Amino acid sequence: DQQVKQNSPSLSVQEGRISILNCDYTNSMFDYFLWYKKYPAEGPTFLISISSIKDKNEDGRFTVFLNKSAKHLSLHIVPSQPGDSAVYFCAAAGNNDMRFGAGTRLTVKP
Amino acid sequence: DTGVSQNPRHKITKRGQNVTFRCDPISEHNRLYWYRQTLGQGPEFLTYFQNEAQLEKSRLLSDRFSAERPKGSFSTLEIQRTEQGDSAMYLCASSLRGPNQPQHFGDGTRLSIL
Repeated sequence: DQQVKQNSPSLSVQEGRISILNCDYTNSMFDYFLWYKKYPAEGPTFLISISSIKDKNEDGRFTVFLNKSAKHLSLHIVPSQPGDSAVYFCAAAGNNDMRFGAGTRLTVKP
Repeated sequence: DTGVSQNPRHKITKRGQNVTFRCDPISEHNRLYWYRQTLGQGPEFLTYFQNEAQLEKSRLLSDRFSAERPKGSFSTLEIQRTEQGDSAMYLCASSLRGPNQPQHFGDGTRLSIL
């Protein structure tokens, strides 16, 4: 059962522009949401998170938006840099359970 | 760097053999998680420990899989009588106890079954 979905397997943007990665979830019990970044041959690295009591969390170039009514979250990266090229996973957590999406491969072109 | 450490990084074995992986979490983290990841998918939860207690196991964790965390520090994941379908990346993560604590991952052990 795919409780967390990332419908875009890949995204390509130009350096300096905004990258928007999207994620949808189905289980309303999830109350904590995270984004991870993964380079080849490395484990996922925690990037940013948001709890369900907020609708926005910002950390430098990274902002996560949460729309609880739509069960949708997004990660905005601005400005995008070539070093941001990686696979991004969203995750949703609740009741000691965490589920991951299948990931979106972001390519930032110089 | 005192991040999550996993050993070995790669394991190649013949079908039917037993394998054991080790995970050393971040030292102050009392929660430890095991995940499995296959190509094109996100990590799938297998099991988790709070200190030495195994609190939850996924139905993905068949009888051939067993995990331990005997002293509440490092953990081992053993797979007995390996099968082709066990080929995957096995990831370990750790976190502090409490709500809204991010999990921090190791670089994983890649298992290949010949």
